[in-house]
Formats: sequence, C-alpha cells, structure tokens
Amino acid sequence: SAVISQKPSRDICQRGTSLTIQCQVDSQVTMMFWYRQQPGQSLTLIATANQGSEATYESGFVIDKFPISRPNLTFSTLTVSNMSPEDSSIYLCSATANTEAFFGQGTRLTVV
Amino acid sequence: QKEVEQNSGPLSVPEGAIASLNCTYSDRVSQSFFWYRQYSGKSPELIMSIYSNGDKEDGRFTAQLNKASQYVSLLIRDSQPSDSATYLCAVNNSTGGFKTIFGAGTRLFVKA
Repeated sequence: SAVISQKPSRDICQRGTSLTIQCQVDSQVTMMFWYRQQPGQSLTLIATANQGSEATYESGFVIDKFPISRPNLTFSTLTVSNMSPEDSSIYLCSATANTEAFFGQGTRLTVV
Repeated sequence: QKEVEQNSGPLSVPEGAIASLNCTYSDRVSQSFFWYRQYSGKSPELIMSIYSNGDKEDGRFTAQLNKASQYVSLLIRDSQPSDSATYLCAVNNSTGGFKTIFGAGTRLFVKA
C-alpha cells in the first residue's frame, strides 16, 4: 500500500481566487490521479497526473481550470483556478500501486 | 450507460445479518475490481480487491466476481453497526490507463 499526505485538509476561499492542493506519497508509485467528490456523490476522476509532462484530463475538465503538476514520482499538485461556489467539493489525491488505488485524506474546499 | 452501476440504497440490515452489495460494470476489458468503504467525512478505504472469477474471502468480507455477467458483489457476514458506511465498487484496467472508475456507492445501515 501507499501512504498519501494531502494538504490543506480544508479551506474556505473567496470566489475568483485559486487554491493549490499538494499530495505527497511515501513511496514511488507509477500512477497518480486527482478526483473530485461533490456532496452526496461518488468520486469523479479529474485527471491523471503524469510525471514530467502535461496531465491527462477527463471529459469536462480542462487544464486552465485545474492545472496539475507532477515534478517527480512522489509529489503532485492540483490547482483549482478562478474558483466559484460550484467548485465547493472534496478533492482527493490517489496513487495506484499494483492497480489498487489509495487515497489521501482529501481537501474539503468551500468557495464563498 | 454508466461504467459502474450500484444500487444507491440505503440498504438496511439488522446486526448479525448478512449484507449483500451488488455492482455491474460495462467495460468487458476491466481486469481489476475493488470494494471501498467510505465513512461520512472520510476518504475511501480499500477493503477488498478481486481479479479472477469466483469468491475471495477476507475475514467477514467475501467478494464475488463473474466476468461473463460483468458482475461484482460484496457480502458482509455478521454485520456490525460499525459497518454502516457507503460502499463503493470500483474497476480498473490497464488499457484504460490504469484509471480507477467508481460506482455511485451503496449506503449501508446496520441496525443494532
């Protein structure tokens, strides 16, 4: 398994601002992903964080809104840009080891 | 058609009973199948993984996979109130870039 540290754990942000979420994995993993979980909903994949190259985004998510970095095998960031109240959600970092996905504790974002 | 489908519930069972959770998936090339448990306000926690047809048992949990029917299930024996949570079915395949796709989750209530 992989131990994943994610921060911040929660934040309240003003609309129009940006927030960067950090994710650190305790071991080298091949795949890292970012998910969003809106209240009462399941997990929706935002993108695959690719080491040293641009992330691969799922339908409905774009780089300008959710820029992602992954400078090495164990670290990734997700930025939520130009936030609106609709971006209020839990954002989860995930790392996959042997196809099993493990999660950070999540970032609960509230946009006011 | 959703890629991973689950009955959202809620499913209510008395303490000590068997809880049966079901899931179907649409992508025939899916190779890996998982059950996650998510308590309210917490991140998903991996409880079972299964890769081949048949049953896999781990303590009070049994996962069942039928690839021909594209069906995965989770049985929880001797259900406890602490098992009350949302259970997420998830699938993964290498041809999909090792992305883990989640179902909507089934809420389980175990009544004392």
